[in-house]
Amino acid sequence: QITLKESGPTLVKPTQTLTLTCSFSGFSLTTNGVGVAWIRQPPGKALEWLALLYWNGEATYSPSLKTRLTVTEDTSTKQVVLSMTNMDPVDTATYYCAHRGDPDAFDFWGQGTVVTVSS
Amino acid sequence: SSELTQDPAVSVALGQTVRITCQGDSLRNYQTNWYRQKPGQAPALVMFGDNRPSGIPDRFSGSRSGNTASLTITGAQAEDEADYYCNSRDSTGYHFVFGTGTKVTI
Repeated sequence: QITLKESGPTLVKPTQTLTLTCSFSGFSLTTNGVGVAWIRQPPGKALEWLALLYWNGEATYSPSLKTRLTVTEDTSTKQVVLSMTNMDPVDTATYYCAHRGDPDAFDFWGQGTVVTVSS
Repeated sequence: SSELTQDPAVSVALGQTVRITCQGDSLRNYQTNWYRQKPGQAPALVMFGDNRPSGIPDRFSGSRSGNTASLTITGAQAEDEADYYCNSRDSTGYHFVFGTGTKVTI
């Protein structure tokens, strides 16, 4: 059974760096084809893909946010960490992590974590 | 283009058929996935290409023609009322994109 859960601060100040953790179970990030993605959703708005970390350690980022994002894996704890620099109020959103499987789709999602950017 | 465009909202009577469309140049080359999001919940995959994940009822079907993908609900049920998002890769194939979303009202 695949599960994912996001954790991190609920409130960050403008210009700060946001660090979110995705804890997962039921799969290995070393399995060929597997990935963990980060996706966000501002209140009342559409989903926005942010980044994907592949099983081979490669990462791909949204072109519009590429300079602000870093995704890494802590293999010992089965966690994927998203860092987003220079946070702004427009980054206020629910942040999700999701499993990317063989059908090249996000087939399992975490419950999401709400992040508010405000001074 | 890296954009996927959906109609903002559609309504359908209980038991009738509704089709949700997603338009974008990258859909000619990459698989389209569909997600259902109910209020206060995380999105859930309901279609990848023309395939349903296990547990998704067969009233859901997917298709594509040219640069337009469609999700059809045949015999819509009350529990199908939700926001629906399409998703695919962008024209480069290296990144992912989501559609603008369609609110389905039963």
